[in-house]
Amino acid sequence: ETGVTQSPTHLIKTRGQQVTLRCSSQSGHNTVSWYQQALGQGPQFIFQYYREEENGRGNFPPRFSGLQFPNYSSELNVNALELDDSALYLCASSGGGRPGGYTFGSGTRLTVV
Amino acid sequence: DQQVKQNSPSLSVQEGRISILNCDYTNSMFDYFLWYKKYPAEGPTFLISISSIKDKNEDGRFTVFLNKSAKHLSLHIVPSQPGDSAVYFCAAVEKGAQKLVFGQGTRLTINP
Repeated sequence: ETGVTQSPTHLIKTRGQQVTLRCSSQSGHNTVSWYQQALGQGPQFIFQYYREEENGRGNFPPRFSGLQFPNYSSELNVNALELDDSALYLCASSGGGRPGGYTFGSGTRLTVV
Repeated sequence: DQQVKQNSPSLSVQEGRISILNCDYTNSMFDYFLWYKKYPAEGPTFLISISSIKDKNEDGRFTVFLNKSAKHLSLHIVPSQPGDSAVYFCAAVEKGAQKLVFGQGTRLTINP
C-alpha cells in the first residue's frame, strides 16, 4: 500500500507567477484535501475534493483552485502568487469516514520571492 | 479568529516522565478532536482521537482527555521517549463538516 505522494518537494517562484502542485492519493482513497501551513502555524484547510468535485472550501481566494482526476490524484493551482503564499502545502487523502482516517503527504515547500 | 489554540509553543520533558500537551477551543460545534504528530520534512501523522461524547480515550502510552465544559483537551504521553520529540498539533472537526481546524502546534523535546 503506497502512501500519499506530493511533487515537487520544493519550489521557488516569483511573485505574480502561477504554480501547480501535485498529489497522488493513497491507494483506495477517493477524497483529497489540501492544507496550507505557514511558518510557525498549524495547517489551514484550503479545499477538499470527493470524486472529482469540490466538496468544501476554506477562506482562500479564488486564485487558489484545484482538480481531482479519475484516479483520485489531485492538483492545487495558485495564480498571481503573492509573497504570503510562501508556505508548506500539504495534501491529505482519505477513504471516507472520520478525519482521523486522513493520510498526509510530506508536503511541497513553496517559496515566493 | 483562532478557534483551536495551543498556547505553549514548546515543551521540554525528561525521558521517562509524563508529557502533557494542552489545547483549547472556542467553537462549541466541534464534536471530534484529534492529535497529530509531525516530524521535520514529513507530513502530520494521526496519533489519537476522541469524540465529544467521551471524556477520555487511551491508546498505549497516549491518552487524550476532553473537558467539554472548559472547552479544553489534553494529550498525556507516559512514559515519554526520545522518539516522541516532534511537533504536536491538536485539531477539531464540526459535526458533518470535512475540514480539520488545527492549532498552532507545540514542539515537544524529550531530553535523555
